[in-house]
Amino acid sequence: DAGVTQSPTHLIKTRGQHVTLRCSPISGHKSVSWYQQVLGQGPQFIFQYYEKEERGRGNFPDRFSARQFPNYSSELNVNALLLGDSALYLCASSLAAIPGATDTQYFGPGTRLTVL
Amino acid sequence: AQSVTQPDIHITVSEGASLELRCNYSYGATPYLFWYVQSPGQGLQLLLKYFSGDTLVQGIKGFEAEFKMSQSSFNLRKPSVHWSDAAEYFCAVGSDGSSNTGKLIFGQGTTLQVKP
Repeated sequence: DAGVTQSPTHLIKTRGQHVTLRCSPISGHKSVSWYQQVLGQGPQFIFQYYEKEERGRGNFPDRFSARQFPNYSSELNVNALLLGDSALYLCASSLAAIPGATDTQYFGPGTRLTVL
Repeated sequence: AQSVTQPDIHITVSEGASLELRCNYSYGATPYLFWYVQSPGQGLQLLLKYFSGDTLVQGIKGFEAEFKMSQSSFNLRKPSVHWSDAAEYFCAVGSDGSSNTGKLIFGQGTTLQVKP
């Protein structure tokens, strides 16, 4: 079975632009989470979606938004990009609604976003 | 608030030597604990996890970790390190479900370098 896939692999944008990142979960997984990993740091939680509903939101500004589609794939949108948004954006999927407690999150390879 | 501390930012060991990576957590209840590994340019791969039961947990690639509640620690160990183990290692704590969110909180990571 295919793992979590993310597109694009790399992306270069300029300040003020908008970006959309995409994630396809493992087949059968209904929960998708997004994390931001700035160079030299651990991943920071952005959003979790389960069954197309937002279940959790991290401490990120409203410029960050996400959604989940009926096929459980997900998009992360970031508006008005800042230099500080440059990071690796990771998507993770799991079977359960509370993956941290009783289930395992499987991570994709990430999208490397560079903002110039 | 939940938090994870990995005191060692960078560790260098010789190939064949033993390894211990430290992880301390702060959590109000019984934590759900994870160790992930990240190779350059890759996503996160789960090494092992602790939910309950036996406090010594076996994982993939010959890794093990021991949960010590009294010390709020979940240290990762390997008896004999291989050159291919060079990577970044992240400890994470997960929600127990009380917040209805499956987010993971990660430490800042430990970079492992293996000398030939």
